[in-house]
Amino acid sequence: EAQVTQNPRYLITVTGKKLTVTCSQNMNHEYMSWYRQDPGLGLRQIYYSMNVEVTDKGDVPEGYKVSRKEKRNFPLILESPSPNQTSLYFCASSLSVRRTDTQYFGPGTRLTVL
Amino acid sequence: AQKITQTQPGMFVQEKEAVTLDCTYDTSDQSYGLFWYKQPSSGEMIFLIYQGSYDEQNATEGRYSLNFQKARKSANLVISASQLGDSAMYFCAMREGLRAGGTSYGKLTFGQGTILTVHP
Repeated sequence: EAQVTQNPRYLITVTGKKLTVTCSQNMNHEYMSWYRQDPGLGLRQIYYSMNVEVTDKGDVPEGYKVSRKEKRNFPLILESPSPNQTSLYFCASSLSVRRTDTQYFGPGTRLTVL
Repeated sequence: AQKITQTQPGMFVQEKEAVTLDCTYDTSDQSYGLFWYKQPSSGEMIFLIYQGSYDEQNATEGRYSLNFQKARKSANLVISASQLGDSAMYFCAMREGLRAGGTSYGKLTFGQGTILTVHP
């Protein structure tokens, strides 16, 4: 089944404790992206990647890192999480960066930083 | 200025009836994609339907259709024969050309969403 998977689905952590949210897609997509969803602010892009080893900042990259060593994986790293990073996080992928390509989303990761 | 505007924070519809969710957008690109996603209470984002700016026909996918009026920059979602399982948040989103805003390539810009409640 074609899908985007994320782990963990739920995470409660404390300020400053490094964490990684994994994202994997099995559709051979070139483009991958991370979004966060917050009440009243909607979905905002954090980072994106157009291909292996090609990553760039989205609208809200502060406090996050990403890597794209393999085409299928695009982990999101929070080196020192803070409470303002409590959010619902989505990984998404599409065949390419073209505007006609649909982005498919993972199931989401609910992160709480205490 | 908002790029995607969904003016209906909440909508109610009777089961088996049709409902239209409004979406207007703002872009100077000639080529762009418009998407609708459904987010049920469980939280996942489910792709529903896509309309390309150059598509002459309105997109349809089962009970979903997109009423695309390019000159008015509107892309309303029509759900026919509503079901209880259609109760969810619905997002309109746009994907612009490679230089969207000059800052990010290929991102989706989302509206604020419309909560649809289907009554039995």
